[in-house]
Amino acid sequence: DTEVTQTPKHLVMGMTNKKSLKCEQHMGHRAMYWYKQKAKKPPELMFVYSYEKLSINESVPSRFSPECPNSSLLNLHLHALQPEDSALYLCASSQMGLINTGELFFGEGSRLTVL
Amino acid sequence: GQQLNQSPQSMFIQEGEDVSMNCTSSSIFNTWLWYKQDPGEGPVLLIALYKAGELTSNGRLTAQFGITRKDSFLNISASIPSDVGIYFCAGHHTSGTYKYIFGTGTRLKVLA
Repeated sequence: DTEVTQTPKHLVMGMTNKKSLKCEQHMGHRAMYWYKQKAKKPPELMFVYSYEKLSINESVPSRFSPECPNSSLLNLHLHALQPEDSALYLCASSQMGLINTGELFFGEGSRLTVL
Repeated sequence: GQQLNQSPQSMFIQEGEDVSMNCTSSSIFNTWLWYKQDPGEGPVLLIALYKAGELTSNGRLTAQFGITRKDSFLNISASIPSDVGIYFCAGHHTSGTYKYIFGTGTRLKVLA
């Protein structure tokens, strides 16, 4: 099973709202990622969690707040977003450890629209 | 962030034709990944390559890890309409790191 599940698939929010994106994987992967993708562009890395600890923050604005409650779950909390934050948000996971296969698996994405 | 050079940027082909695309980098990679992405969906992993010179197939898809470790190629044989989408390559430097560098994408359109 190489499945990464993201909810919701679509989200519309105002600039004053607080919402969250959720991601779950049951592949035993210990690295989980949030990417942002604009139309016709490649995914851009936002955050990486390794063994449930934040290991990379690509200078993402604080209105995006990641959380990793356990090794299978990853959340992205959203607050006071701007219209330019509208994008497809992708969660991904990979196996990390003594043997790194290097394979990165993506979820189907959450399409976020900020009004 | 850093991106890989991927070409062509887009291509229109007739159904049944073969397709080739490639990615080049100024850095050496230990892993090359190829993805297909449909509109509004997440990228789906097609092929993973781990060794220089490696040639790997997945159905009508064949990918190669360049000998210099700075490039990779993806070929699609006998294209069909469902091959339409954006194809991304991604490179991974070394084990234990978490950064994957993505290509700029090749948009494929198949004319029936």
